[in-house]
Amino acid sequence: GENVEQHPSTLSVQEGDSAVIKCTYSDSASNYFPWYKQELGKRPQLIIDIRSNVGEKKDQRIAVTLNKTAKHFSLHITETQPEDSAVYFCAASGGGSNYKLTFGKGTLLTVNP
Amino acid sequence: NAGVTQTPKFQVLKTGQSMTLQCAQDMNHEYMSWYRQDPGMGLRLIHYSVGAGITDQGEVPNGYNVSRSTTEDFPLRLLSAAPSQTSVYFCASSYSVGSNYGYTFGSGTRLTVV
Repeated sequence: GENVEQHPSTLSVQEGDSAVIKCTYSDSASNYFPWYKQELGKRPQLIIDIRSNVGEKKDQRIAVTLNKTAKHFSLHITETQPEDSAVYFCAASGGGSNYKLTFGKGTLLTVNP
Repeated sequence: NAGVTQTPKFQVLKTGQSMTLQCAQDMNHEYMSWYRQDPGMGLRLIHYSVGAGITDQGEVPNGYNVSRSTTEDFPLRLLSAAPSQTSVYFCASSYSVGSNYGYTFGSGTRLTVV
């Protein structure tokens, strides 16, 4: 089955800096790669996703890049703000009739004012 | 449109007790799944269903049963609770239209087994 590795496990940045979180996956058939943000005590919330036919996607301060050859994808947050502090999870899904999401173990992002 | 509704939000069980975590969605999604979340472990898939009457095991199915008699409901049963099942449980539903997917998570159930 799919295996998703996520790095780093913790990340601390100064407000205004950029943050990058990286994930690798093992199943070359995976074609859907979402990123979730989870605040303490809350449910995971989708912040951005990318599909295998796209190399990069951007939404305001958040961008995701995908390298299918290397089987890795990354989340980029620019101009970080204290409210960006949360745990971020990457995930991968095989798509088609395979709806299963396999998650990375998460990155605790702390943005220091 | 309530999305994905999970009940209860909190539960304390004694070892050996059984209980059912409820999950309901009103979005007519075909796919539903249960995850457990433990510190430092991310979200791990317990069981999933691709439609009414169809269920399958995920990564960590032992000690849990599921059924899917309707599109809307996907309950998770703990047959004999163990301290190792102390966790936060999330139910999710999703659709798939072509290459588009949409996963929605419930608000979670925090379960403690003593």
